[in-house]
Amino acid sequence: QQQVKQSPQSLIVQKGGIPIINCAYENTAFDYFPWYQQFPGKGPALLIAIRPDVSEKKEGRFTISFNKSAKQFSLHIMDSQPGDSATYFCAVNSGGSNYKLTFGKGTLLTVNP
Amino acid sequence: NAGVTQTPKFQVLKTGQSMTLQCAQDMNHNSMYWYRQDPGMGLRLIYYSASEGTTDKGEVPNGYNVSRLNKREFSLRLESAAPSQTSVYFCASRATAGEQYFGPGTRLTVT
Repeated sequence: QQQVKQSPQSLIVQKGGIPIINCAYENTAFDYFPWYQQFPGKGPALLIAIRPDVSEKKEGRFTISFNKSAKQFSLHIMDSQPGDSATYFCAVNSGGSNYKLTFGKGTLLTVNP
Repeated sequence: NAGVTQTPKFQVLKTGQSMTLQCAQDMNHNSMYWYRQDPGMGLRLIYYSASEGTTDKGEVPNGYNVSRLNKREFSLRLESAAPSQTSVYFCASRATAGEQYFGPGTRLTVT
């Protein structure tokens, strides 16, 4: 059973657009929801993370929206730039205090100039 | 402060050969992780170590062993490599608040 479903698989936007990437999860016990950004040939890097006691978190141009009742969370990138072109992964903490992350399959974002 | 380092960067093995992937972190983190990344599959947890002296299985542990040598180092061993283990391997360490910091990865090809 896939614990976290990420969509879309790929996304193309124009510079200045607001790409939105969505993730849905099954288990209400998950307590930590990070988003990672990965450039080709590099390791993933933490972008932003949220816990279920808040519905939204902003860090610069990146925002997580969290809907606990729907068991969904999404990443919004405001004023997207070509440098934001990367693969984005959502994840859930499926391991309690051990923070065993289960990742979505990723979204390849392309921001055209 | 190098963060998480991994060696080697690239490796080609023949089926049946063994090798050890090395990982070290200089952030004084207790917990460390090994993931594999395959196209279209995201990252999947192989093994993790919650603290020095402890290790536990993740989602895809078959064919792998790990050693938590000390607080800094966490190695992953393939005893008898198989083509299905062709992948990119990432090591990560975790800060207290949950953030995981990833290394640059090892690209392994098994022929």
